[in-house]
Amino acid sequence: EAQVTQNPRYLITVTGKKLTVTCSQNMNHEYMSWYRQDPGLGLRQIYYSMNVEVTDKGDVPEGYKVSRKEKRNFPLILESPSPNQTSLYFCASRPGANYGYTFGSGTRLTVV
Amino acid sequence: LAKTTQPISMDSYEGQEVNITCSHNNIATNDYITWYQQFPSQGPRFIIQGYKTKVTNEVASLFIPADRKSSTLSLPRVSLSDTAVYYCLVGVENYGQNFVFGPGTRLSVLP
Repeated sequence: EAQVTQNPRYLITVTGKKLTVTCSQNMNHEYMSWYRQDPGLGLRQIYYSMNVEVTDKGDVPEGYKVSRKEKRNFPLILESPSPNQTSLYFCASRPGANYGYTFGSGTRLTVV
Repeated sequence: LAKTTQPISMDSYEGQEVNITCSHNNIATNDYITWYQQFPSQGPRFIIQGYKTKVTNEVASLFIPADRKSSTLSLPRVSLSDTAVYYCLVGVENYGQNFVFGPGTRLSVLP
C-alpha cells in the first residue's frame, strides 16, 4: 500500500531531551515536507525537501532539524525540545510538481 | 504568495450538493489551486487540483473562473462522512515550500 509512515504516533518527552520523529514513504516521491498543527494556528510548514540532500526552511523552522540522506526517509529532529513544540506533526510527500501531498497519520508530541 | 479566504464554517444536510468558495485575489500566473480534506487527528487528504476552468474527479469538482481570483469546490450529494475541514491552497507547485494552510472551512453535514 502506498503510504507515508511516521513513528512514533504518540510521544511524551521532557524538555531538552533530543528526539527524532521518523518519516518514510514508499512511493518514490521526490518532495517531502514536515508540518505542525496547532489549535487556532492551522498547519504550518517546518521544513521541506525537494530531493536527496536538498532541504530548506518552511515557515517555522526554529528548533528543528531535518535530513534527507535517502529518497524515502525524511526524519525530523528536535535537538532540545521545549514545551512550545508540543504539537501534532505531519510528514507529507508528493511525486513532484503539480501533484498533491500524501500525508502521514501524524505524531502527537508532548514536551513537559 | 497568494492569500486565500474561505468561509470559516458551513452546514449542510445529507444528500445535498455543497459548494465551498475560496477567494485568492492575488493569485500569480503560475499558481495552481489545490483542495485538501482533513478529519480530526488525521493528516490532510488531497482532493483535487486545477489551474483554470473545470476539473472533475470521482470525489469532487473544482470550478475556476477565467480571472482565477476565486475557485469553488463542489461536493455532490454529501454524506455524514464528509464532515471535515476543507482547505484551499494556492501556490507554485514546482517548489515544496510555501504551501500555507489557512484556517479552512469546517463543513458539518447533518442527517
